[in-house]
Amino acid sequence: SAVISQKPSRDICQRGTSLTIQCQVDSQVTMMFWYRQQPGQSLTLIATANQGSEATYESGFVIDKFPISRPNLTFSTLTVSNMSPEDSSIYLCSVEGLTGELFFGEGSRLTVL
Amino acid sequence: AQTVTQSQPEMSVQEAETVTLSCTYDTSESDYYLFWYKQPPSRQMILVIRQEAYKQQNATENRFSVNFQKAAKSFSLKISDSQLGDAAMYFCAYRPWGSARQLTFGSGTQLTVLP
Repeated sequence: SAVISQKPSRDICQRGTSLTIQCQVDSQVTMMFWYRQQPGQSLTLIATANQGSEATYESGFVIDKFPISRPNLTFSTLTVSNMSPEDSSIYLCSVEGLTGELFFGEGSRLTVL
Repeated sequence: AQTVTQSQPEMSVQEAETVTLSCTYDTSESDYYLFWYKQPPSRQMILVIRQEAYKQQNATENRFSVNFQKAAKSFSLKISDSQLGDAAMYFCAYRPWGSARQLTFGSGTQLTVLP
């Protein structure tokens, strides 16, 4: 299984600011996935990050709001821009394992005031 | 589009007893994976068990086992000898064979283990 580290673990942010979440994997992976989990809800895929190309965003998510970087095969960042209280969520990074499952980081809990 | 339904928002079980969590899904694919993930208050998603649709044999992992009924599109999780550490939110998830991007989660079942 992959070991995935996310930073920050949690943060409290002011409305209108931006925050960048980092995701580091202990092995090289082709795709990295960013999910959002709103309070009391299930997980929703934000985007898929491939190294060397632009991220692929799911319906309802746009690059201006959630810019993603993928500079190499073990690292990715997700920025939540111009935050509002509705962005208060857990953001999770994920990679695919060798037998079809997805492994997840420990999540970053954002609270926007 | 694939959908995953967990009809039990909350369940409780006495410590050392057995509990079954239900999951149904809808797909037109013939090859796919099914998973159960556990999310304790620490919020990390932990893989509990996986099942490939082409396998008739139900997956087991220690105290965790599944009842996979492909024709009925049902995938329930049985937890035997429940322990306090099993208390968590449990998510059923589906993905088609070729696309990890299309991993779809159910709404979750909150499991409480009573001492």
